[in-house]
Amino acid sequence: NAGVTQTPKFHILKIGQSMTLQCTQDMNHNYMYWYRQDPGMGLKLIYYSVGAGITDKGEVPNGYNVSRSTTEDFPLRLELAAPSQTSVYFCASSYSSGGAHNEQFFGPGTRLTVL
Amino acid sequence: QKEVEQNSGPLSVPEGAIASLNCTYSDRGSQSFFWYRQYSGKSPELIMFIYSNGDKEDGRFTAQLNKASQYVSLLIRDSQPSDSATYLCAVNRYNFNKFYFGSGTKLNVKP
Repeated sequence: NAGVTQTPKFHILKIGQSMTLQCTQDMNHNYMYWYRQDPGMGLKLIYYSVGAGITDKGEVPNGYNVSRSTTEDFPLRLELAAPSQTSVYFCASSYSSGGAHNEQFFGPGTRLTVL
Repeated sequence: QKEVEQNSGPLSVPEGAIASLNCTYSDRGSQSFFWYRQYSGKSPELIMFIYSNGDKEDGRFTAQLNKASQYVSLLIRDSQPSDSATYLCAVNRYNFNKFYFGSGTKLNVKP
């Protein structure tokens, strides 16, 4: 049971380039989330999904896109990368969104630098 | 106003002391409350969650919730140098599918 996995661990992107951050979970969780964490700050929600085929915006969705074609995978797409997108990106999943079992499990993160 | 507020610290305590970490939240409808520990360069890991007013104990950790005051705290007894990390508070309203995180409190436990 690998939990939540993310690739790549590190990446340097040039301004204007695009890339996809991968996230996979093997816990059969319906809920998945993408966060970004800037230095010394908390986590900001970018996008989330409540199940395959269903996604919605979080607090800071501009410049990003997501898709959820399977329960396991929730990739995050960066289009036209900007220096403001330099951050650490965490993917997380949870069994539910409320009540018991709504705690989130996090992947190891992707450290992205846009130059 | 931020959804979740925490003192950024650093909070320094000697080894063996009690560390007290605090968090306030703005949404009175919040129903789930979490404490995550994050070591430098690592991902957050869940330490405690609490849903009801009062105290919840797990080993050296105690979470305290006061919904009337919109206040959550984490007590760490017998603090160890390995407890040195940033502690993130998170809140959630059932079925709103969004978790709000504070910016974290950095804890230093000195040997």
